[in-house]
Amino acid sequence: GDSVTQMEGPVTLSEEAFLTINCTYTATGYPSLFWYVQYPGEGLQLLLKATKADDKGSNKGFEATYRKETTSFHLEKGSVQVSDSAVYFCALSDPNAGKSTFGDGTTLTVKP
Amino acid sequence: DAGVIQSPRHEVTEMGQEVTLRCKPISGHNSLFWYRQTMMRGLELLIYFNNNVPIDDSGMPEDRFSAKMPNASFSTLKIQPSEPRDSAVYFCASSTTRTGGNSPLHFGNGTRLTVT
Repeated sequence: GDSVTQMEGPVTLSEEAFLTINCTYTATGYPSLFWYVQYPGEGLQLLLKATKADDKGSNKGFEATYRKETTSFHLEKGSVQVSDSAVYFCALSDPNAGKSTFGDGTTLTVKP
Repeated sequence: DAGVIQSPRHEVTEMGQEVTLRCKPISGHNSLFWYRQTMMRGLELLIYFNNNVPIDDSGMPEDRFSAKMPNASFSTLKIQPSEPRDSAVYFCASSTTRTGGNSPLHFGNGTRLTVT
């Protein structure tokens, strides 16, 4: 079945540091890939997505590229802010399965 | 777009009581999902509906849990009887399949359930 493996946390960075959160996936079909972010006390919300190989999703300074050859969708940001502190989830959506598969989440803390 | 609306936001109940969680999906979305989130087990899919029909309930932990979707704008998740190990945050999410599976999930803000 489908699966998503993402970098274990927690991750602690200083403000303006470079961020990478690794995500790899296994899927039988041609999934769409997503990054969601969850702030304390809230539900998950979409951060960015990519629907086919070599697509780059981007939003709020975050980027991720759909790499079919390495089955990866790593999240990056060049300069993190304290307000980026949250839990980040990598996920895939398989049209044939009709549902999404989530990674375990990575907690990011950014210190001033 | 009012987003996915869940109620109540917090629920505290005693073991053995019935608990009903409610969800109103985004208008026009035809898929609805119930998730449970705990520190120990992370985010778990309990059940999902497509066009109001339950498609996969394999994540429902046991017969104490049941879910219904009587119409396109309302769903409930019921736990009867509740147990302390059911304490968690329960999320409802909706999406549309009309874009061929590329649509993201839209989550509500969750119901934090505490069973004492």
